[in-house]
Order: sequence, then structure tokens, then C-alpha cells
Amino acid sequence: AQSVTQPDARVTVSEGASLQLRCKYSYSGTPYLFWYVQYPRQGLQLLLKYYSGDPVVQGVNGFEAEFIKSNSSFHLRKASVHWSDSAVYFCAVSEGNYKYVFGAGTRLKVIA
Amino acid sequence: DMKVTQMPRYLIKRMGENVLLECGQDMSHETMYWYRQDPGLGLQLIYISYDVDSNSEGDIPKGYRVSRKKREHFSLILDSAKTNQTSVYFCASSLSINTGQLYFGEGSKLTVL
Repeated sequence: AQSVTQPDARVTVSEGASLQLRCKYSYSGTPYLFWYVQYPRQGLQLLLKYYSGDPVVQGVNGFEAEFIKSNSSFHLRKASVHWSDSAVYFCAVSEGNYKYVFGAGTRLKVIA
Repeated sequence: DMKVTQMPRYLIKRMGENVLLECGQDMSHETMYWYRQDPGLGLQLIYISYDVDSNSEGDIPKGYRVSRKKREHFSLILDSAKTNQTSVYFCASSLSINTGQLYFGEGSKLTVL
């Protein structure tokens, strides 16, 4: 069965610092991979997705993620965070059908 | 405008009462979902609907049922709510069953006393 692990429940970084949020998945094939962001009192919004091709994918607001098959990872990165990036970030995996498996989420706090 | 709308946003019910959560989308998406979100657990799939009157259980369907009579509308029903159904419920839609990216509503926070 598929699973997604986000090992860091909470991450605090200073504004302007770089960011990496970790995601590891368990799936025997090549999955479809997603990062979603949830701002307070809102639904999840897609940041970026990976289906195939270039393992580094660009998303909105300067976010990117790298698919490393050998490590079963899809970490999210940003070069310089802004206070408005404070939110909960979810990694998700799909087999390409209806079924999506979500990680438990990482709550990001950006401090001045 | 691509939007998934959930009503109500907040709801307080007593144990044993019936609950109706409604979801609408304006994108003519075939596939719609109901998830619940609990702290530390991410999102858990309750039901999926492939189209009108074509629904399937997700991972945690017990205590819930759904109705989809129009493509743009998907309802979640709790008959005789329980306190452990206190949660935030999210509706989502996608263009088709094989197309990535889910579009989420803003959530419905249900408290069962």
C-alpha cells in the first residue's frame, strides 16, 4: 500500500532563509507526486506536481521540488521564504487513478 | 471562476442528530471527493463519486453516506452523528478520475457534542 511520510510536523525558519520540507513515499511504481499548501481557514491549494520528465519541478511562488526515485523522496524547497509562506504543507502521492494518499502535513512558521 | 463551495462552513450538532454537508463545483468535473482532516492524520478519504449516482467507498466510509444527483453537487450525510465525527470535512473535485490535481473547498468544521 502507498504511504507518505512527512517527518517534520513543525518547521520554523527566519524570513529570507532557505527552506526544505521533507517528503518520503512508499510505492513500488513511479507515482504521481504533489505538494499542496493550506492557509488558515482555507482548503488545500496545489503548489506543484510531478508526473514524469525533469525531476525538478517548479511551482507557484518560487517553490520547487525534486523527485529522487532512488530515495523515494519528493522534498519541497524554496530559496528565500516570506512571512506569507506560513501555512501547512501537504505532500501527496497518487497511482494515477482516483486514489490519493496524503502525508500528515508540515506546519511552517516564518519568523521575522 | 473555478471554485468548490462548501456549506455550511461551521456546524454544531448534538450526538444523534443528522448532519448534511453540501458541496458544489462550477467546473463540470466528473470526480468529486469527501475527505476529513484530523490533527496529525492528514486527509482521509471518506467517499468518492465518479459521476451522477456513481459513488464508491473510500478508506473510512463507516457512519457516512453520500448523494450525487447532479454533476455539480455532492452531499455528505451523517445519520445520527457521533462525537468522534467531530472534524473538518473537505470536498474536492478533479476533472476526471485519471487527471491529477484536486480542487478543494474551504472546509466545513463540524462539532458533535
